[in-house]
Amino acid sequence: GQQLNQSPQSMFIQEGEDVSMNCTSSSIFNTWLWYKQDPGEGPVLLIALYKAGELTSNGRLTAQFGTTRKDSFLNISASIPSDVGIYFCAGHLSGAGSYQLTFGKGTKLSVIP
Amino acid sequence: DSGVTQTPKHLITATGQRVTLRCSPRSGDLSVYWYQQSLDQGLQFLIQYYNGEERAKGNILERFSAQQFPDLHSELNLSSLELGDSALYFCASASGGGFNEQFFGPGTRLTVL
Repeated sequence: GQQLNQSPQSMFIQEGEDVSMNCTSSSIFNTWLWYKQDPGEGPVLLIALYKAGELTSNGRLTAQFGTTRKDSFLNISASIPSDVGIYFCAGHLSGAGSYQLTFGKGTKLSVIP
Repeated sequence: DSGVTQTPKHLITATGQRVTLRCSPRSGDLSVYWYQQSLDQGLQFLIQYYNGEERAKGNILERFSAQQFPDLHSELNLSSLELGDSALYFCASASGGGFNEQFFGPGTRLTVL
């Protein structure tokens, strides 16, 4: 089945630093999504990408849909303490009966004030 | 607040027992997805319902079943529970039956003792 490799698994950064994380797939996807999960909460959708090469921003967050359609990147600029959480990538490949998302295992972000 | 509600928030039960988790989708959403999140497996898609009918199945055990009712709320039934079923169970909702951005509820934490 499809697998997503998300890296790094965890990061410790200083407040104000920029953060980069990525996700690679063994298969191509038509859609990439990035979610953030706070402790005890459900994942919250941050950014959705629908076209290869697409670059989309949401405040300090920027995500890109890789041109090979097998990868995606998320950057967070000027990190702040509330950026702490687990970031998940998720991919979707359209096709008959294929409506589910495949999730990466997450990148746990810790921000040191 | 995603608009998706789940009850109960926490559930503690014993091996061999049966439990029912409930999910109410966002107003107007017709699709409900169920996911299991465990520490070692990440978010795993279980099953999707669209407007009362099963639409897609993922890694759902035979001991687990789900349904979506005419008012669009959904229930996930877990039976003959095992220690390994301890996990967070999330439902997500989306507006359509095909691929749409999914919005997650706060989850139910199931502990099997």
